[in-house]
Amino acid sequence: GAGVSQSPSNKVTEKGKDVELRCDPISGHTALYWYRQSLGQGLEFLIYFQGNSAPDKSGLPSDRFSAERTGGSVSTLTIQRTQQEDSAVYLCASSFAGRDYGYTFGSGTRLTVV
Amino acid sequence: GENVEQHPSTLSVQEGDSAVIKCTYSDSASNYFPWYKQELGKRPQLIIDIRSNVGEKKDQRIAVTLNKTAKHFSLHITETQPEDSAVYFCAASSGSYIPTFGRGTSLIVHP
Repeated sequence: GAGVSQSPSNKVTEKGKDVELRCDPISGHTALYWYRQSLGQGLEFLIYFQGNSAPDKSGLPSDRFSAERTGGSVSTLTIQRTQQEDSAVYLCASSFAGRDYGYTFGSGTRLTVV
Repeated sequence: GENVEQHPSTLSVQEGDSAVIKCTYSDSASNYFPWYKQELGKRPQLIIDIRSNVGEKKDQRIAVTLNKTAKHFSLHITETQPEDSAVYFCAASSGSYIPTFGRGTSLIVHP
């Protein structure tokens, strides 16, 4: 596609429920990143996928968070047993090459845990 | 790992003035320095970047300078306009590690 597509754009969920966030990167982009941005805050790195290599999961805040990328394209970020502190905007970004190239960000998913 | 410091956290200027945002980094292996602009409620967008083999890069009213010896790089915006109001993030990376972002600078341009 023309840009990075994320869905849903907004998600309200009850505490304790699981949620899945989807990212469809730009076609041909081999690198895919997930970031979290709390209100008025900076960009918190979560996970990085590059081609068929093992993902860099060093930013995942707890074992409730997981992500996968199928076929080197679409990625899903799953948050199990959501907590109120998980409320944030989850941004996906893709890049046509490695870690030293610029990103194109998606519009994000605003997650609210009530 | 890399550490990126960004200053100031807030910058308020009058329309037409220049604005400068500065970032310092710690790892001399960093070789790629992008800048992102995030308007309120929008996604961050790459506005300019520079690699370590270049000292300065310009694109219309914005420019970035890099001082590898001192390990700092700066974003310069000339003739600021209200639509330049946004949060600006710097970052530093190499091919070996995930880009490290600064904490952001909120630029406010008063008409």
